Amino acid sequence: GEDVEQSLFLSVREGDSSVINCTYTDSSSTYLYWYKQEPGAGLQLLTYIFSNMDMKQDQRLTVLLNKKDKHLSLRIADTQTGDSAIYFCAEIYTGGFKTIFGAGTRLFVKA
Amino acid sequence: EAGVAQSPRYKIIEKRQSVAFWCNPISGHATLYWYQQILGQGPKLLIQFQNNGVVDDSQLPKDRFSAERLKGVDSTLKIQPAKLEDSAVYLCASNNAVTDTQYFGPGTRLTVL
Repeated sequence: GEDVEQSLFLSVREGDSSVINCTYTDSSSTYLYWYKQEPGAGLQLLTYIFSNMDMKQDQRLTVLLNKKDKHLSLRIADTQTGDSAIYFCAEIYTGGFKTIFGAGTRLFVKA
Repeated sequence: EAGVAQSPRYKIIEKRQSVAFWCNPISGHATLYWYQQILGQGPKLLIQFQNNGVVDDSQLPKDRFSAERLKGVDSTLKIQPAKLEDSAVYLCASNNAVTDTQYFGPGTRLTVL
Protein backbone atom coordinates (compact mmCIF):
# COMPACT_ATOMS: atom_id res chain seq x y z
CA GLY A 1 0.00 0.00 0.00
CA GLU A 2 0.94 3.65 -0.06
CA ASP A 3 3.45 4.75 2.55
CA VAL A 4 5.70 7.70 3.31
CA GLU A 5 8.69 7.14 5.54
CA GLN A 6 10.93 9.60 7.35
CA SER A 7 13.64 9.34 9.95
CA LEU A 8 12.32 10.43 13.32
CA PHE A 9 15.05 12.75 14.61
CA LEU A 10 17.77 15.06 13.33
CA SER A 11 20.09 17.21 15.40
CA VAL A 12 22.29 19.95 13.92
CA ARG A 13 24.29 22.92 15.13
CA GLU A 14 23.12 26.45 14.44
CA GLY A 15 24.56 27.68 11.16
CA ASP A 16 25.00 24.19 9.70
CA SER A 17 22.85 22.76 6.92
CA SER A 18 20.06 20.29 7.73
CA VAL A 19 18.95 17.56 5.35
CA ILE A 20 15.67 15.81 6.04
CA ASN A 21 14.91 12.75 3.95
CA CYS A 22 11.70 11.06 2.89
CA THR A 23 10.86 7.99 0.82
CA TYR A 24 7.50 7.25 -0.72
CA THR A 25 6.00 4.26 -2.45
CA ASP A 26 3.47 5.46 -4.99
CA SER A 27 4.90 6.76 -8.23
CA SER A 28 1.57 8.21 -9.36
CA SER A 29 1.78 11.14 -6.98
CA THR A 30 1.79 14.51 -8.70
CA TYR A 31 2.89 16.78 -5.89
CA LEU A 32 5.22 16.28 -2.96
CA TYR A 33 5.15 18.68 -0.06
CA TRP A 34 7.09 19.70 3.00
CA TYR A 35 5.21 21.03 5.99
CA LYS A 36 6.55 22.41 9.27
CA GLN A 37 4.76 22.00 12.59
CA GLU A 38 5.74 23.92 15.70
CA PRO A 39 4.47 22.88 19.15
CA GLY A 40 0.73 23.42 19.55
CA ALA A 41 0.32 24.70 16.01
CA GLY A 42 -1.13 23.42 12.78
CA LEU A 43 0.93 22.49 9.75
CA GLN A 44 2.61 25.30 7.87
CA LEU A 45 3.35 24.75 4.20
CA LEU A 46 7.05 25.24 3.52
CA THR A 47 7.40 24.27 -0.11
CA TYR A 48 6.26 21.79 -2.72
CA ILE A 49 7.61 20.26 -5.87
CA PHE A 50 5.88 18.90 -8.94
CA SER A 51 6.68 15.29 -9.67
CA ASN A 52 8.19 16.22 -13.05
CA MET A 53 10.85 18.40 -11.39
CA ASP A 54 14.20 17.35 -9.96
CA MET A 55 14.95 20.34 -7.80
CA LYS A 56 13.37 23.46 -6.40
CA GLN A 57 15.07 26.23 -4.46
CA ASP A 58 13.30 28.77 -2.29
CA GLN A 59 15.58 31.03 -0.23
CA ARG A 60 17.19 28.77 2.41
CA LEU A 61 15.21 25.72 1.31
CA THR A 62 16.24 23.29 -1.41
CA VAL A 63 14.06 20.34 -2.37
CA LEU A 64 15.56 17.45 -4.31
CA LEU A 65 13.41 14.75 -5.91
CA ASN A 66 14.73 11.43 -7.18
CA LYS A 67 11.78 9.78 -8.87
CA LYS A 68 13.69 6.65 -9.74
CA ASP A 69 14.46 5.95 -6.08
CA LYS A 70 11.22 7.62 -4.83
CA HIS A 71 13.30 9.79 -2.55
CA LEU A 72 12.60 13.37 -1.52
CA SER A 73 14.85 15.58 0.58
CA LEU A 74 14.64 19.01 2.15
CA ARG A 75 17.83 20.94 2.76
CA ILE A 76 17.76 23.93 5.08
CA ALA A 77 20.82 26.15 4.71
CA ASP A 78 22.19 28.11 7.68
CA THR A 79 19.85 26.39 10.12
CA GLN A 80 18.60 28.61 12.93
CA THR A 81 17.12 27.80 16.34
CA GLY A 82 13.77 28.97 15.00
CA ASP A 83 13.88 26.09 12.54
CA SER A 84 13.45 23.62 15.41
CA ALA A 85 10.15 21.87 14.67
CA ILE A 86 8.68 18.71 13.18
CA TYR A 87 8.91 18.46 9.40
CA PHE A 88 6.39 16.37 7.48
CA CYS A 89 6.74 15.02 4.01
CA ALA A 90 3.47 14.42 2.14
CA GLU A 91 2.48 13.07 -1.22
CA ILE A 92 -0.74 14.11 -2.85
CA TYR A 93 -2.24 12.38 -5.84
CA THR A 94 -3.84 13.84 -8.91
CA GLY A 95 -6.71 16.14 -8.03
CA GLY A 96 -5.93 15.99 -4.33
CA PHE A 97 -7.95 12.84 -3.94
CA LYS A 98 -5.57 11.16 -1.57
CA THR A 99 -2.99 12.55 0.82
CA ILE A 100 -0.41 10.53 2.69
CA PHE A 101 1.79 12.10 5.36
CA GLY A 102 4.97 10.73 6.86
CA ALA A 103 5.32 10.45 10.63
CA GLY A 104 7.48 13.57 10.74
CA THR A 105 11.13 14.32 11.46
CA ARG A 106 11.86 16.24 14.62
CA LEU A 107 14.66 18.74 13.99
CA PHE A 108 16.69 19.93 16.97
CA VAL A 109 18.95 22.92 16.42
CA LYS A 110 21.68 23.41 19.00
CA ALA A 111 22.96 26.92 19.63
CA GLU B 1 -6.22 36.57 3.40
CA ALA B 2 -7.69 34.91 6.51
CA GLY B 3 -6.52 31.38 7.20
CA VAL B 4 -8.44 28.26 8.13
CA ALA B 5 -10.32 28.80 11.39
CA GLN B 6 -11.08 26.05 13.89
CA SER B 7 -12.84 25.95 17.22
CA PRO B 8 -12.55 25.08 19.97
CA ARG B 9 -8.76 24.95 20.32
CA TYR B 10 -8.92 22.54 23.24
CA LYS B 11 -11.55 20.14 24.52
CA ILE B 12 -11.49 17.69 27.42
CA ILE B 13 -14.31 15.17 27.74
CA GLU B 14 -14.94 11.85 29.40
CA LYS B 15 -15.25 8.64 27.40
CA ARG B 16 -18.69 7.95 26.01
CA GLN B 17 -19.48 11.67 25.82
CA SER B 18 -20.07 13.49 22.54
CA VAL B 19 -18.01 16.30 21.04
CA ALA B 20 -18.16 18.49 17.95
CA PHE B 21 -15.50 20.51 16.17
CA TRP B 22 -16.01 23.35 13.75
CA CYS B 23 -13.97 24.49 10.77
CA ASN B 24 -14.23 27.47 8.44
CA PRO B 25 -11.98 27.12 5.39
CA ILE B 26 -10.25 29.83 3.43
CA SER B 27 -12.76 31.75 1.34
CA GLY B 28 -13.17 30.25 -2.11
CA HIS B 29 -11.57 26.89 -1.28
CA ALA B 30 -13.94 24.21 -2.50
CA THR B 31 -12.14 21.26 -0.93
CA LEU B 32 -12.09 20.71 2.82
CA TYR B 33 -10.28 17.99 4.77
CA TRP B 34 -10.45 16.67 8.33
CA TYR B 35 -7.35 14.93 9.69
CA GLN B 36 -6.65 13.12 12.93
CA GLN B 37 -3.13 13.54 14.31
CA ILE B 38 -2.25 11.23 17.18
CA LEU B 39 0.75 12.28 19.26
CA GLY B 40 4.00 11.35 17.54
CA GLN B 41 2.36 10.55 14.20
CA GLY B 42 1.63 12.33 10.98
CA PRO B 43 -1.89 13.48 10.13
CA LYS B 44 -4.29 10.80 8.93
CA LEU B 45 -7.05 11.80 6.56
CA LEU B 46 -10.53 11.17 7.98
CA ILE B 47 -12.75 12.76 5.36
CA GLN B 48 -12.51 14.98 2.31
CA PHE B 49 -15.30 17.19 0.95
CA GLN B 50 -15.57 18.78 -2.47
CA ASN B 51 -18.07 21.60 -1.95
CA ASN B 52 -20.76 19.82 0.11
CA GLY B 53 -20.15 16.33 -1.26
CA VAL B 54 -17.94 13.63 0.25
CA VAL B 55 -14.99 12.61 -1.92
CA ASP B 56 -13.24 10.20 0.45
CA ASP B 57 -14.34 8.96 3.87
CA SER B 58 -12.70 5.55 3.70
CA GLN B 59 -10.75 6.07 6.95
CA LEU B 60 -13.57 7.65 8.94
CA PRO B 61 -14.82 5.34 11.76
CA LYS B 62 -18.43 5.75 10.76
CA ASP B 63 -19.83 3.97 13.78
CA ARG B 64 -18.85 6.96 15.94
CA PHE B 65 -17.58 9.75 13.69
CA SER B 66 -19.69 11.91 11.41
CA ALA B 67 -19.00 15.05 9.43
CA GLU B 68 -21.04 17.44 7.37
CA ARG B 69 -20.56 20.46 5.17
CA LEU B 70 -24.13 21.41 4.40
CA LYS B 71 -23.63 24.70 2.55
CA GLY B 72 -20.27 23.89 1.03
CA VAL B 73 -18.43 26.33 3.29
CA ASP B 74 -17.87 25.53 6.96
CA SER B 75 -17.90 22.03 8.35
CA THR B 76 -18.45 20.16 11.61
CA LEU B 77 -16.90 16.90 12.75
CA LYS B 78 -18.65 14.97 15.51
CA ILE B 79 -17.61 12.06 17.68
CA GLN B 80 -20.34 10.14 19.48
CA PRO B 81 -19.52 8.37 21.74
CA ALA B 82 -15.85 9.20 22.30
CA LYS B 83 -13.27 6.59 23.21
CA LEU B 84 -9.91 7.01 24.94
CA GLU B 85 -8.10 6.34 21.66
CA ASP B 86 -9.79 9.35 20.06
CA SER B 87 -7.45 11.63 22.01
CA ALA B 88 -5.62 13.52 19.28
CA VAL B 89 -5.38 16.82 17.46
CA TYR B 90 -8.07 17.22 14.82
CA LEU B 91 -6.85 19.32 11.93
CA CYS B 92 -8.93 20.96 9.26
CA ALA B 93 -7.42 21.96 5.93
CA SER B 94 -8.69 23.54 2.74
CA ASN B 95 -7.36 23.28 -0.73
CA ASN B 96 -6.12 25.69 -3.34
CA ALA B 97 -7.32 23.93 -6.47
CA VAL B 98 -4.68 25.56 -8.66
CA THR B 99 -1.77 23.77 -7.00
CA ASP B 100 -3.55 21.24 -4.79
CA THR B 101 -1.84 22.95 -1.87
CA GLN B 102 -3.57 22.31 1.43
CA TYR B 103 -3.65 25.04 4.08
CA PHE B 104 -4.13 23.92 7.66
CA GLY B 105 -5.94 25.39 10.60
CA PRO B 106 -4.40 25.42 14.12
CA GLY B 107 -6.25 22.26 15.13
CA THR B 108 -8.42 21.19 18.05
CA ARG B 109 -6.67 19.18 20.74
CA LEU B 110 -9.07 16.59 22.15
CA THR B 111 -8.36 14.77 25.40
CA VAL B 112 -10.67 11.89 26.30
CA LEU B 113 -10.46 10.83 29.96
